[in-house]
Amino acid sequence: DVKVTQSSRYLVKRTGEKVFLECVQDMDHENMFWYRQDPGLGLRLIYFSYDVKMKEKGDIPEGYSVSREKKERFSLILESASTNQTSMYLCASNRGLLAGVPDTQYFGPGTRLTVL
Amino acid sequence: SQQGEEDPQALSIQEGENATMNCSYKTSINNLQWYRQNSGRGLVHLILIRSNEREKHSGRLRVTLDTSKKSSSLLITASRAADTASYFCATPAGGSTLGRLYFGRGTQLTVWP
Repeated sequence: DVKVTQSSRYLVKRTGEKVFLECVQDMDHENMFWYRQDPGLGLRLIYFSYDVKMKEKGDIPEGYSVSREKKERFSLILESASTNQTSMYLCASNRGLLAGVPDTQYFGPGTRLTVL
Repeated sequence: SQQGEEDPQALSIQEGENATMNCSYKTSINNLQWYRQNSGRGLVHLILIRSNEREKHSGRLRVTLDTSKKSSSLLITASRAADTASYFCATPAGGSTLGRLYFGRGTQLTVWP
């Protein structure tokens, strides 16, 4: 079974802190994704990566950066956390396109981040 | 936006009843996926339906796709309390060669014992 793990289930940080959220997948997937999920807004894509050291902005990249130094690991970085970044953060991975159809995305359990 | 939109936003039913959720989208797609999310957890893939399929079954799940109306429905038959979750439809990002999906805002299903 595909397993996607996230470093923390719950995290509390202070405004201005630099925050690292880590995601690891064990299925050699090419693609990895970071979403944030807020009530009433659904899942919004922050960044995704389609290969080591390759990344693309999603719909809401402002205030975030990412790092993918190894294929299995995708990190989301909040350079200077703000209260409006309090949210549930979800990581996912997949194999990309298979015969023109997006592969199933496999999600981690999520990290609930609170910024005080 | 190509984001799918689920309807209704919330649905409350008794165990044993059927639950139907709908998804509408804006642009042509070659497939649509449904996911489930238990409270406070990540999403789990349920089923994928391709544009050349009108209906697909998986256990108690039945998914339909009407490309002419740009809509899909997810039917859960004989619902159980354990089906309580949020359900999301996901559509491919147009023009993307990278396997990106757009997710809707979800339908919150509550099944009462």
